[in-house]
Amino acid sequence: AQKITQTQPGMFVQEKEAVTLDCTYDTSDPSYGLFWYKQPSSGEMIFLIYQGSYDQQNATEGRYSLNFQKARKSANLVISASQLGDSAMYFCAMREVYKAAGNKLTFGGGTRVLVKP
Amino acid sequence: GAVVSQHPSRVICKSGTSVKIECRSLDFQATTMFWYRQFPKQSLMLMATSNEGSKATYEQGVEKDKFLINHASLTLSTLTVTSAHPEDSSFYICSASGWGSNTGELFFGEGSRLTVL
Repeated sequence: AQKITQTQPGMFVQEKEAVTLDCTYDTSDPSYGLFWYKQPSSGEMIFLIYQGSYDQQNATEGRYSLNFQKARKSANLVISASQLGDSAMYFCAMREVYKAAGNKLTFGGGTRVLVKP
Repeated sequence: GAVVSQHPSRVICKSGTSVKIECRSLDFQATTMFWYRQFPKQSLMLMATSNEGSKATYEQGVEKDKFLINHASLTLSTLTVTSAHPEDSSFYICSASGWGSNTGELFFGEGSRLTVL
């Protein structure tokens, strides 16, 4: 079974609008962390936002916010006021504290976002 | 934030030769380094986990004799693709974690694109 599922392979968004990228996860580990990374065409992985499984509030970082619904095992990324520079691949990832060695991450398949002017 | 540097960023080699990729943590001590492989339009797949001073732990299906990993110091890990073949052509990216991060955030290198002719 997939541990991290991103159901949207690609999507278009109009500049200045908000976009939600879906991510669902599967784990029996009671302690885990969820990450979102942006990968532009250059290939580098840019850390966007982190949510711990015990965090009571949804994480926010500037224009990025994470809609964490623990019971549904979803961790959707919301990008507000999209900019042309937001066009990239976006990966959701999970770290299982007890099951994974160190800080090993498991990645979803990614969502390609293209922002239209 | 912490910086992880990979070298070379691009390498082209002939089939049958070996290629070494370096991953350095520039401003922190990386106790653990991870090596990922990413084929075009796909997600990152973990190849191996290396801890400083010990043997790497390889993921299932990854040939340890083909992908040699050395983590001799707290700032350097190397991946050597031995007897490279065209099917080894891929984007290889390392990440590192170390002391002092509350989230255990992984810091990624810029990636190395290997093309085997």
